[in-house]
Amino acid sequence: GENVEQHPSTLSVQEGDSAVIKCTYSDSASNYFPWYKQELGKRPQLIIDIRSNVGEKKDQRIAVTLNKTAKHFSLHITETQPEDSAVYFCAASIKGGGNKLTFGTGTQLKVEL
Amino acid sequence: EAGVAQSPRYKIIEKRQSVAFWCNPISGHATLYWYQQILGQGPKLLIQFQNNGVVDDSQLPKDRFSAERLKGVDSTLKIQPAKLEDSAVYLCASSLAGDIQYFGAGTRLSVL
Repeated sequence: GENVEQHPSTLSVQEGDSAVIKCTYSDSASNYFPWYKQELGKRPQLIIDIRSNVGEKKDQRIAVTLNKTAKHFSLHITETQPEDSAVYFCAASIKGGGNKLTFGTGTQLKVEL
Repeated sequence: EAGVAQSPRYKIIEKRQSVAFWCNPISGHATLYWYQQILGQGPKLLIQFQNNGVVDDSQLPKDRFSAERLKGVDSTLKIQPAKLEDSAVYLCASSLAGDIQYFGAGTRLSVL
């Protein structure tokens, strides 16, 4: 089955700096890659996703890049703010195969003032 | 639109007791998922329903866990008997066409 690895497990940045979280996946058939943000005690919320037919997607301060050859994808947050502090999870799935999501282990992002 | 509803939010039980969780997906969402999220880890899929049929239950510990979605809307997940290692947050998610998944707030289970 699919295996998703995520790094780093913790990330601390100064407010206004950029943050990058990286994930690798094992199943070359995976074609859908969402990122979820989970604040303490709350539900995971989708912040951005990318499909395998594109290499990059951007939404305001958040961007995701995908390298299908290397089987890795990354989340980029620019101009970080304290409210960006949360745990971020990457995931991978095969759309059309029930969209079973396999999650990474999460990255605790802390944005310091 | 209303989100995915789950209850209860918290549950504390003794080991070997039974417990049940309830999920009401977003209206019209045919696909429903139950995930287990152990502290410090990402969610792990337990079971996936398409309407009232099971699509994937390969990671469901069937000797103690069961789930149903009888009318293709609400779903219940049951654990009987519970073990200490079942302490986790149980998340329900739903999607319209097996695409974007929307999560509920989860049920935090503590097994003592």
